[in-house]
Amino acid sequence: AQTVTQSQPEMSVQEAETVTLSCTYDTSESDYYLFWYKQPPSRQMILVIRQEAYKQQNATENRFSVNFQKAAKSFSLKISDSQLGDAAMYFCAYRSLGANSKLTFGKGITLSVRP
Amino acid sequence: DAGVIQSPRHEVTEMGQEVTLRCKPISGHNSLFWYRQTMMRGLELLIYFNNNVPIDDSGMPEDRFSAKMPNASFSTLKIQPSEPRDSAVYFCASRDRADGYTFGSGTRLTVV
Repeated sequence: AQTVTQSQPEMSVQEAETVTLSCTYDTSESDYYLFWYKQPPSRQMILVIRQEAYKQQNATENRFSVNFQKAAKSFSLKISDSQLGDAAMYFCAYRSLGANSKLTFGKGITLSVRP
Repeated sequence: DAGVIQSPRHEVTEMGQEVTLRCKPISGHNSLFWYRQTMMRGLELLIYFNNNVPIDDSGMPEDRFSAKMPNASFSTLKIQPSEPRDSAVYFCASRDRADGYTFGSGTRLTVV
């Protein structure tokens, strides 16, 4: 079974600075999807970024980018120019290919942003 | 589109009572997932459906939990009898054919 590990329970960043959130996963599959979700205090789960494992190029979405290291099974999220609205829980998630696949989440990391 | 709609948003019940959580997925999405979120265990998948058929219920903690999807626009998660350790936030999510997931706002369940 696939597992997703987020070993840092909490992180803090100064507003306008850059922060990197770590995630590792374990799988025997060669093709899959990886995701980062944001959960603000409103509880809503918001997709931040998605990476297909067959793509070597790291995904980017505005201030959010990933460092995908397939051999190391590492998938970190970098947030540039941090804003107060970035404060939330962030979850890393894995999904196999196939119609009957499911999202497996890490335990999440709480990010606080200092003004 | 109103997104995935869950009700109620909050539920407080006494131990031993039956609890029913409801979910309306996005129209046209063919997969539906129920997750439970707690501080200790994070987000756990309880059960998911493809085309209204349960595919994997291995995450359902015990027989007190049951889920149904009688049609493409409605699903329920029932706990009977409820226990304090069932207190959590329960999320429903639906997925479209392009693999896009949309989560509901969750139901915060407190069993006292």
